[in-house]
Amino acid sequence: EAQVTQNPRYLITVTGKKLTVTCSQNMNHEYMSWYRQDPGLGLRQIYYSMNVEVTDKGDVPEGYKVSRKEKRNFPLILESPSPNQTSLYFCASGSNHGTSGSWYNEQFFGPGTRLTVL
Amino acid sequence: AQSVTQLDSHVSVSEGTPVLLRCNYSSSYSPSLFWYVQHPNKGLQLLLKYTSAATLVKGINGFEAEFKKSETSFHLTKPSAHMSDAAEYFCVVSLFTGTASKLTFGTGTRLQVTL
Repeated sequence: EAQVTQNPRYLITVTGKKLTVTCSQNMNHEYMSWYRQDPGLGLRQIYYSMNVEVTDKGDVPEGYKVSRKEKRNFPLILESPSPNQTSLYFCASGSNHGTSGSWYNEQFFGPGTRLTVL
Repeated sequence: AQSVTQLDSHVSVSEGTPVLLRCNYSSSYSPSLFWYVQHPNKGLQLLLKYTSAATLVKGINGFEAEFKKSETSFHLTKPSAHMSDAAEYFCVVSLFTGTASKLTFGTGTRLQVTL
């Protein structure tokens, strides 16, 4: 089954304790991305990766790190979590479609990771 | 720059009546537009997409959306609501240049369906 998996699904931690949320996809997608969802704000992009070893900042990258050493995996790292990073996190992977002048990227989302930082 | 405005944070309809969820967008480029649905405690599922082909787009579960460039709108409709449609809906604009990709989400519209 084609899917994006995230682990853990739920995590409660304390301020300053480094954590990693894993994301894996089995669709051979080049593109992967992380989002956070907060009430009233929709989803905001944290980081994305166009391919292995190619990552770039999204709208809200502060306090997060990512790496893309393999095509299927795109972990999200919080080196020193703070309470304002309490949120629902989604990983997505995507495939590129279209023709010159009309490209788009269709994304498939994981089930989410609910993170609470105390 | 690009942005998305979902005009209603909450919409309530009776089962069997039409659904209209409104979305306006702003984009410097020819946009690709999507609607995603999120059921409670679930991930996001793609409902439909507009990618510069037909302006009336059909999606899953009987939903449709019409791209209107002159109005910069991409409203989501369904002729007859079902209880299972109760969820949060996100309008999304995509900018993809081949070397960069960005999805911008609206803040969401929560659809309530009553008996």
